[in-house]
Amino acid sequence: QVQLVESGGGVVQPGGSLRLSCATSGFNFKNYGMHWVRQAPGKGLEWVSFIHYDGEKKYYADFVKGRFTVSKDRSQNILYLDMSGLRPDDTALYYCAKGDGYCISGICSRWLGPWGQGTLVTVSS
Amino acid sequence: SYALTQPPSVSVAPGETARITCGGNFIGSKGVNWYQQKPGLAPVLVISDDGDRPSRIRGRFSGSEAGNTASLTITRVEAGDEADYYCQVWDSSADIGVFGGGTRLTVL
Repeated sequence: QVQLVESGGGVVQPGGSLRLSCATSGFNFKNYGMHWVRQAPGKGLEWVSFIHYDGEKKYYADFVKGRFTVSKDRSQNILYLDMSGLRPDDTALYYCAKGDGYCISGICSRWLGPWGQGTLVTVSS
Repeated sequence: SYALTQPPSVSVAPGETARITCGGNFIGSKGVNWYQQKPGLAPVLVISDDGDRPSRIRGRFSGSEAGNTASLTITRVEAGDEADYYCQVWDSSADIGVFGGGTRLTVL
């Protein structure tokens, strides 16, 4: 069955950097786009980033653009999120999720599932 | 930027039907997806692309759209359905994912 396991979270000072990993198994990682989503304590879900199946196209939420970078290691079946310039409001549980969906004439429908269990990032001095 | 609006809470008695709404401009032109999140657990996809149900999701869950509102309907509600529910779309004009604020379903 599909499994996604995040790691790399921890406590980091404001302005610091962190690399999150998402180890995957149970599906052909090379053929699927992948998402990162975060959830601040007691708050709702917030989409962060998506990377196409081939790693060629990457999309980001405005609040992380220029600070976070998503990548895929297609040989190791691992998804990454490199985070820099971290701020206290980046504190959240970060989930990776397998992407699915389709595009017709540039209009896409994309959904997420399954999801990993999340890794907690705390930005605090 | 594109926004989705959900009611913060919905309450329903066991055995009744729960309807959770998700409002957004021209939402009918987008595929709406729904997720269930129980306390301490990761979200689970329950409806994709407006109305498709993953194989492991029971038939009591369904999705629909009318006008600028999408709805998740749960029939014969059970105590185990108590959770937070989120709608989500892909905004192709900006190439970003968008989640609604979430609705807490309480089973009375």
